[in-house]
Amino acid sequence: EADIYQTPRYLVIGTGKKITLECSQTMGHDKMYWYQQDPGMELHLIHYSYGVNSTEKGDLSSESTVSRIRTEHFPLTLESARPSHTSQYLCASSMDRDWGLHNEQFFGPGTRLTVL
Amino acid sequence: KNQVEQSPQSLIILEGKNCTLQCNYTVSPFSNLRWYKQDTGRGPVSLTIMTFSENTKSNGRYTATLDADTKQSSLHITASQLSDSASYICVVSDRGSTLGRLYFGRGTQLTVWP
Repeated sequence: EADIYQTPRYLVIGTGKKITLECSQTMGHDKMYWYQQDPGMELHLIHYSYGVNSTEKGDLSSESTVSRIRTEHFPLTLESARPSHTSQYLCASSMDRDWGLHNEQFFGPGTRLTVL
Repeated sequence: KNQVEQSPQSLIILEGKNCTLQCNYTVSPFSNLRWYKQDTGRGPVSLTIMTFSENTKSNGRYTATLDADTKQSSLHITASQLSDSASYICVVSDRGSTLGRLYFGRGTQLTVWP
């Protein structure tokens, strides 16, 4: 079992609220990722980080923002949630220096977000 | 365009039976291919990884194959159990760009009935 945690697991909020999804890992991994996944669909990369003070946007455009002040912590924030943000958000981390080679990503349990 | 296609989209089998899931990809240049298992409401967990030079890899009752020439992979599950009910995701990694990103299939939803 990977040591990567996400809170909350489920969140139901109203439109316009500001929310922060928490992600923490205790493996000392440099790389961390946020994915968005809708039912029956593939995971889409929305943010990633190479390490502290590094954040990049992924393939799928997202109105969310991320920060990486500490190695173990990679929170995702939505300033004003909308129903279109309803989805499952998965956080992951990996260790390898080379992004592509043998880079197992360890996933958290996910946060199921519903915006009414 | 780099893509990963999985089939079937969903599958129902009886406990104790075997099944095979398919994955076709167009990702290039190829680095490695993983099969992940994702239980409902959970994050994906890696089952196997194969590089270009490997054509089969086993993990207990799970056996993955890779044909890098035809860009196809399969995941064979032997003597299925109720706990095998999950989504199985094929993930291909490239090595061409500085990013070396992952490409995810949509998964095969497997249901094992008693």
